[in-house]
Amino acid sequence: EVQLVESGGGLVQPGRSLKLSCAASGFTFSDYNMAWVRQAPTKGLEWVASISYGGSNTRYGDSVKGRFTISRDNAKSTLYLQMDSLRSEDTATYYCARRTVGIFDYWGQGVMVTVSS
Amino acid sequence: DIVMTQGALPNPVPSGESASITCQSSKSLLHSNGKTYLNWYLQRPGQSPQLLIYWMSTRASGVSDRFSGSGSGTDFTLKISSVEAEDVGVYYCQQFLEYPWTFGGGTKLELK
Repeated sequence: EVQLVESGGGLVQPGRSLKLSCAASGFTFSDYNMAWVRQAPTKGLEWVASISYGGSNTRYGDSVKGRFTISRDNAKSTLYLQMDSLRSEDTATYYCARRTVGIFDYWGQGVMVTVSS
Repeated sequence: DIVMTQGALPNPVPSGESASITCQSSKSLLHSNGKTYLNWYLQRPGQSPQLLIYWMSTRASGVSDRFSGSGSGTDFTLKISSVEAEDVGVYYCQQFLEYPWTFGGGTKLELK
């Protein structure tokens, strides 16, 4: 069974950093591209970042470009999202998702990030 | 950026009736390879989104055949035949033709 379990969320002050993790199991992690998608409270879905199966290709949404970094450790079957210079508008539930091209076929349960002073 | 616009449903929908959710893209999602780069997801209350339909009309594994996707290059429809209690939630369309990948604003389905 495919499982994606996010961790690392919490309350953080504006301008500070936070690193999210997503532990994958139930499939060969190194064979799949991955992504992060977020959802602000009571809002819709927003694609944040994507990474290729080997980690060499990454893409970012305009709202996080230059502040967030997606990475992966295939030996640990773990996906990461380093979030720097956090803003109040980054407050959201962050989902880790397995993807094939731009099709998100499995999602984690999500982790909440709150940016507030 | 490609803008995805979803229509509203005349909620609540009577159980057993059919429901159609519309989605419109600001640019054709039909690629020269013949594939349409459009997905549908359902987010049940309190849950993560789940994939329903990809490539506009292909049902994801385990998805009921009550769900079907259709459309042209810019206008798309997700049809749910015989709505059931488990179909309640918010439906999202999403394009992946171009970065940034974008979602529609969501369409809420409530059951009568």
